[in-house]
Amino acid sequence: AQSVTQLDSQVPVFEEAPVELRCNYSSSVSVYLFWYVQYPNQGLQLLLKYLSGSTLVESINGFEAEFNKSQTSFHLRKPSVHISDTAEYFCAVSQRGTYKYIFGTGTRLKVLA
Amino acid sequence: DGGITQSPKYLFRKEGQNVTLSCEQNLNHDAMYWYRQDPGQGLRLIYYSQIVNDFQKGDIAEGYSVSREKKESFPLTVTSAQKNPTAFYLCASSIDQTGGEFYGYTFGSGTRLTVV
Repeated sequence: AQSVTQLDSQVPVFEEAPVELRCNYSSSVSVYLFWYVQYPNQGLQLLLKYLSGSTLVESINGFEAEFNKSQTSFHLRKPSVHISDTAEYFCAVSQRGTYKYIFGTGTRLKVLA
Repeated sequence: DGGITQSPKYLFRKEGQNVTLSCEQNLNHDAMYWYRQDPGQGLRLIYYSQIVNDFQKGDIAEGYSVSREKKESFPLTVTSAQKNPTAFYLCASSIDQTGGEFYGYTFGSGTRLTVV
């Protein structure tokens, strides 16, 4: 069965420090991988996605994620966070051809001044 | 600007009442989805629709009903049979189901339902 695990429910980090939000998945077939961000009382916004090709994908606001097939991971990283990055981040997996997402339980990133 | 509008933003329901959450999109998307979000549980799929006049149950459909009479609209009714309806409800859409895989979903800003 397909599943997504976000190991950390909360991650506090000081402003301008690096951060990594972890995501592992299990699937017996090929998948597409996504990271979404949710600000308080808002819907989710697509941050970045991996479909194929280069295993390192980047967003416009400095986040990046690397697909690691052998470790079945898709960790999200940013070298220097800002206060405005405080939000909840969701990893999602779509098993190719099923048209269905499985979401992780989310990681709440809190950036401290 | 194109997007998804959910209303109301906050909704209070008394025990035994049915309530309907509105979801309207002007993106010309074929596929629409309803998710329920509870703290620490991520998002769970309630219903989805690939095309007008057709919809399928998701993982937690019991106690909910939907309709898809127009492409733009996908309202969700939370019935009295739903025993624990207090949650944040999110509506989403994608070009079609295949497009959802490739391009991701567009989400509305959510409705917070509270039972009083």
